Amino acid sequence: GQQLNQSPQSMFIQEGEDVSMNCTSSSIFNTWLWYKQDPGEGPVLLIALYKAGELTSNGRLTAQFGITRKDSFLNISASIPSDVGIYFCAGQPPGSQGNLIFGKGTKLSVKP
Amino acid sequence: EPEVTQTPSHQVTQMGQEVILRCVPISNHLYFYWYRQILGQKVEFLVSFYNNEISEKSEIFDDQFSVERPDGSNFTLKIRSTKLEDSAMYFCASSNTVTRRPQHFGDGTRLSIL
Repeated sequence: GQQLNQSPQSMFIQEGEDVSMNCTSSSIFNTWLWYKQDPGEGPVLLIALYKAGELTSNGRLTAQFGITRKDSFLNISASIPSDVGIYFCAGQPPGSQGNLIFGKGTKLSVKP
Repeated sequence: EPEVTQTPSHQVTQMGQEVILRCVPISNHLYFYWYRQILGQKVEFLVSFYNNEISEKSEIFDDQFSVERPDGSNFTLKIRSTKLEDSAMYFCASSNTVTRRPQHFGDGTRLSIL
């Protein structure tokens, strides 16, 4: 089945630094979503992307839907301690009735 | 902001027992989903449900699993005869449409099979 390769697996950064993570696939997706998950909680939607080339911001977060429809990136600018958590990309394949395929996550640690 | 709510937050069950996990999706949403996340791993799709029937399911969703919308607000996942490997976080999600509207997740039920 389709798989998403998410990188990096983990990041240790200093507060105030910018962060970049991405997801790639050998198959195309119609939708890319970015979620954040805190321990013991469910994924919380950060950004949803529906069109190839789309660039969307949500506060300090910016994400793009790759032109080839096979990749997406998420940038976080000026990181703060509460950005700590696991970030997941998720893609919806063409023809899917809601099946989201998730990446393995990027664990972000921020040092104050 | 409307939320997806799940109960219980933690369920401990003996192997072989039946378990029912409950979800109340966001009220005006029409599409409902179950996912699971084994500890330390990625979130995996189980099933999607629309108009009182399954619209898509994964290989994980075998005959042991069933879903139901018993009334206008609840959406349940039943596991008939639990196995040790069913231990995981189970997340319910809902969305307004199947495309161009994101899925919103509940906080999950941690299922522990002994």
